[in-house]
Amino acid sequence: AQSVTQLGSHVSVSEGALVLLRCNYSSSVPPYLFWYVQYPNQGLQLLLKYTTGATLVKGINGFEAEFKKSETSFHLTKPSAHMSDAAEYFCAVSTAGGTSYGKLTFGQGTILTVHP
Amino acid sequence: KAGVTQTPRYLIKTRGQQVTLSCSPISGHRSVSWYQQTPGQGLQFLFEYFSETQRNKGNFPGRFSGRQFSNSRSEMNVSTLELGDSALYLCASSLATEPYEQYFGPGTRLTVT
Repeated sequence: AQSVTQLGSHVSVSEGALVLLRCNYSSSVPPYLFWYVQYPNQGLQLLLKYTTGATLVKGINGFEAEFKKSETSFHLTKPSAHMSDAAEYFCAVSTAGGTSYGKLTFGQGTILTVHP
Repeated sequence: KAGVTQTPRYLIKTRGQQVTLSCSPISGHRSVSWYQQTPGQGLQFLFEYFSETQRNKGNFPGRFSGRQFSNSRSEMNVSTLELGDSALYLCASSLATEPYEQYFGPGTRLTVT
């Protein structure tokens, strides 16, 4: 079984500051890892994904994440926060086939607040 | 390409009633998954359908059921509604090939009174 832990349910940054949202996962097999963003009253939008290969993955809106197997982490970063980044962010894990068909396991979410 | 669509967007029901939610996946996507999102429990997996067959199911009571049609459209049904069923119900579609990335619809906000 897999699980995801997001450290910090709320993160607050100033506009222009570095954004760092933490995610640690647990999986008995090589995972696929995702970050999603959710704006109020909307569904989830895929920001980026890690499958295999390059451990630093780039996504939309200037976000990137680094897969660190030794630390079982997949932290999300953005060099300079923008007001429009204020939203809730979810880290998710899935694995290939079997009992994982169509199932993403999500972290609890991190609400990002951006101050002017 | 059109995204995942869900209808209705908002719904108010009374305890004991039943409800049916609909999801149309992205064209070409054959896998549809359903999730329940609540402030207390977060995002929880309900079930997944592929080629009209339920392949996976989460830990929800039998009151929650679903189906998928030959055009990949999916419905979920909740019978004998309880107050605790109030939630945002999200549908996601995927190509059902690795890495199984899912694309979400806007959700249906269900309120049970």
